[in-house]
Formats: sequence, C-alpha cells, structure tokens
Amino acid sequence: DGGITQSPKYLFRKEGQNVTLSCEQNLNHDAMYWYRQDPGQGLRLIYYSQIVNDFQKGDIAEGYSVSREKKESFPLTVTSAQKNPTAFYLCASTGTGWTEAFFGQGTRLTVV
Amino acid sequence: AQKITQTQPGMFVQEKEAVTLDCTYDTSDPSYGLFWYKQPSSGEMIFLIYQGSYDQQNATEGRYSLNFQKARKSANLVISASQLGDSAMYFCAMREGMGYSSASKIIFGSGTRLSIRP
Repeated sequence: DGGITQSPKYLFRKEGQNVTLSCEQNLNHDAMYWYRQDPGQGLRLIYYSQIVNDFQKGDIAEGYSVSREKKESFPLTVTSAQKNPTAFYLCASTGTGWTEAFFGQGTRLTVV
Repeated sequence: AQKITQTQPGMFVQEKEAVTLDCTYDTSDPSYGLFWYKQPSSGEMIFLIYQGSYDQQNATEGRYSLNFQKARKSANLVISASQLGDSAMYFCAMREGMGYSSASKIIFGSGTRLSIRP
C-alpha cells in the first residue's frame, strides 16, 4: 500500500546530540514537508521540498536541517542548536494539482 | 502573507447535535485550497474535506460540509449529527498556488479541540 513512513515512532536523545528523523514515501509525490507540533498546538512548518536537491525554509527552520537526495526520502535532522527540540514531528507529502497532504504517523522526540 | 485563524480553542457539543468549527484565512493569491483535518489523540492526521478557491459550490463529504464564504475569507467546517468518535482536534489548513505549484507552503491554524458529550 502507498503511504508515508516515519521512523521511529518514539525517540529519546540526550541534550546536545544531533538526531535524524526518517521520512519515506512511496506515493511518487514531488513535494514533502516537515512540521513540528507542541502539545495542544497547531502544526508549524519547518522545511519543505518541491524536487530532489531543493528545499525551502518554513516558519521555524532554525536549529533544523534537511536533505532531499531522493524523491522518496526527506530526512530531518534536529541539531543541538535547536533550543527546545522535544515535540511531535510530522512529515507530509503532496502530489501535483489539487490534492491534500498525506501524513505519516509522526515521531515523538524527547530530549533529556 | 498566508494566515489561518481558528478562534475556538475548545468546544463541547451534545451527541447528535450539529457543530460548526470556525476558520478564517488571509491570502493575496487568487488560487488556493482550503482543507480540514481531524487529529485524534493518537496523533494521526485524517483528511476530512477540501474546498478550492474557484469552486462554486460548498464541499460536502458525508457528515462533513464546508461553509465557504469567499468574500469574508471564511471556511467553516460543519459536522452534522455529531458522534462520540468525533471528539478530537480539528485543524483548518490552506495551500496557495493550487493547480500550478506542486509545493507551495501549506499552513495550519492553531486548532479546535472538540469534545462530544453522550
């Protein structure tokens, strides 16, 4: 079945360590997105990408980095520069035209 | 600049009643799409309904309908005959450049937590 896979579902890291969240899609979608969600809040856009080897900053890109080496994959690295990284991270993708965004199941990152 | 506003942080509704969740938006792009998503406590994002800026009629999907008032820039979600399983967070979202751009930004409102009372 086509879809978006985020892994792992839960992730624990020590403060000061970089951590990479995985996002893979087999929907043949061009565009991919990363969002951050804090408890009881909405989704805030971190980065998005239209094509391979190209991506744009969203509203809260500081302390995060991404790569888009393959159409299917859009990993997000939470760097030690991110001051408050504990959150729920959602990856999404869209096809061309008038389509909704499809989401992965999310990764809950806890930094201690 | 793109902006989505949801002014109802939380709502309580009696089971089987209809409920309206408010959403207003701001954009200068004449071509855009509006979406509603449901997020249960599990965290998954469930797509509910879509309305394009050029659509002449309000979108409907089963018990969900979107009350689209373009001049007022509002896109309220109406849920008819609410059920206990409708208890969740609901997010309004907007995407500009629909139809000609595959990766314009998609932004979300702050959400409304809907609780259905038995």
